[in-house]
Amino acid sequence: AQTVTQSQPEMSVQEAETVTLSCTYDTSESDYYLFWYKQPPSRQMILVIRQEAYKQQNATENRFSVNFQKAAKSFSLKISDSQLGDAAMYFCAYRSANAGGTSYGKLTFGQGTILTVHP
Amino acid sequence: DSGVTQTPKHLITATGQRVTLRCSPRSGDLSVYWYQQSLDQGLQFLIQYYNGEERAKGNILERFSAQQFPDLHSELNLSSLELGDSALYFCASSVGGNSQETQYFGPGTRLLVL
Repeated sequence: AQTVTQSQPEMSVQEAETVTLSCTYDTSESDYYLFWYKQPPSRQMILVIRQEAYKQQNATENRFSVNFQKAAKSFSLKISDSQLGDAAMYFCAYRSANAGGTSYGKLTFGQGTILTVHP
Repeated sequence: DSGVTQTPKHLITATGQRVTLRCSPRSGDLSVYWYQQSLDQGLQFLIQYYNGEERAKGNILERFSAQQFPDLHSELNLSSLELGDSALYFCASSVGGNSQETQYFGPGTRLLVL
């Protein structure tokens, strides 16, 4: 079974600074997808960024980028120019690309990292 | 707004009772997923339906069941409720059910069992 670990329960950053959230995962599969979701105080789950394991290029979405290290099974999220609206719980998630598996559809989430942004 | 709707937003009930949570996926989405978010278990996948058929199953208790109707809305039924079932229940949807598709989450139903 796949597992996702976020070792930082809490992180903080000053507004306009850069912060990196860590995520590691364990899998025996070679093809999969990785995601970062944001959960603000409203509790809504919002997709931040996704990465396909077969792509070597790191995904970027505006101020958000990832550092995907497949061999190390590491998938960190970098937030540049942090804004007050970035304050939220961030979840790293894994999804198998194996269509034959009984858990094919599921997202496996890490424990989450609470990000605080200081003005 | 993701386009996924869930009702009710909040639900308070007693142990031993049964409740039904409802989810309407985004227009055009055929897959519906249910997740449970609790303090001790974190975010866990419960079950996935695709076009009315069960597609994948997670750590869903036998007391819990789900179905997807012909109009593609889905219901999660929780019975013989226990205190530990108190959680935020999310529904998500995607176009098909393939792994590369993004799952869009609804606002969740907060269940409190007293």
